Amino acid sequence: DTAVSQTPKYLVTQMGNDKSIKCEQNLGHDTMYWYKQDSKKFLKIMFSYNNKELIINETVPNRFSPKSPDKAHLNLHINSLELGDSAVYFCASSHRQIYGYTFGSGTRLTVV
Amino acid sequence: GIQVEQSPPDLILQEGANSTLRCNFSDSVNNLQWFHQNPWGQLINLFYIPSGTKQNGRLSATTVATERYSLLYISSSQTTDSGVYFCAVGTNFGNEKLTFGTGTRLTIIP
Repeated sequence: DTAVSQTPKYLVTQMGNDKSIKCEQNLGHDTMYWYKQDSKKFLKIMFSYNNKELIINETVPNRFSPKSPDKAHLNLHINSLELGDSAVYFCASSHRQIYGYTFGSGTRLTVV
Repeated sequence: GIQVEQSPPDLILQEGANSTLRCNFSDSVNNLQWFHQNPWGQLINLFYIPSGTKQNGRLSATTVATERYSLLYISSSQTTDSGVYFCAVGTNFGNEKLTFGTGTRLTIIP
């Protein structure tokens, strides 16, 4: 199946821990994104990579570090997790010439 | 930054009814997309429509870029149409960042 795949789907962890979320797309898209959806359902961009190059870095704490080993993968590592990091994190991809986004199914992160 | 306002915030309809969702934006855009977030949280791209009109089955969308608004029409609503509908816009060529509206929560009652 052609898709954007995120793992894990659920993540429950204690404050202060470090965790990673992985994302892979097999759509041949050249741009990938991380979005955060808060408890009020508001979606906000965090990062964007085009062909492994960081092109968008919104005002996100530097505890969040994206890594793109190739244009089909974009991972998100979070250090020293805080209660306020609890949210749903969505990976997405698009191709510049088409501009339509495809989203992954989301990772619900709960920090306790 | 660009402001995106969606209306109404909530809509409750009987199955079979038609609905119109509106998205207003504060600046010129080169990218506008409509998404449906279903009750399980999945975000589905409905339309990429920076201008003009498109139709897909019971759904259609129109964007009037010069007047800075877009409309999403849902006809003959079904319970599976329930969820939150988001409008998202982009303003920079070569930078595909989307700014999302706050969404319209649609509930279809059987």
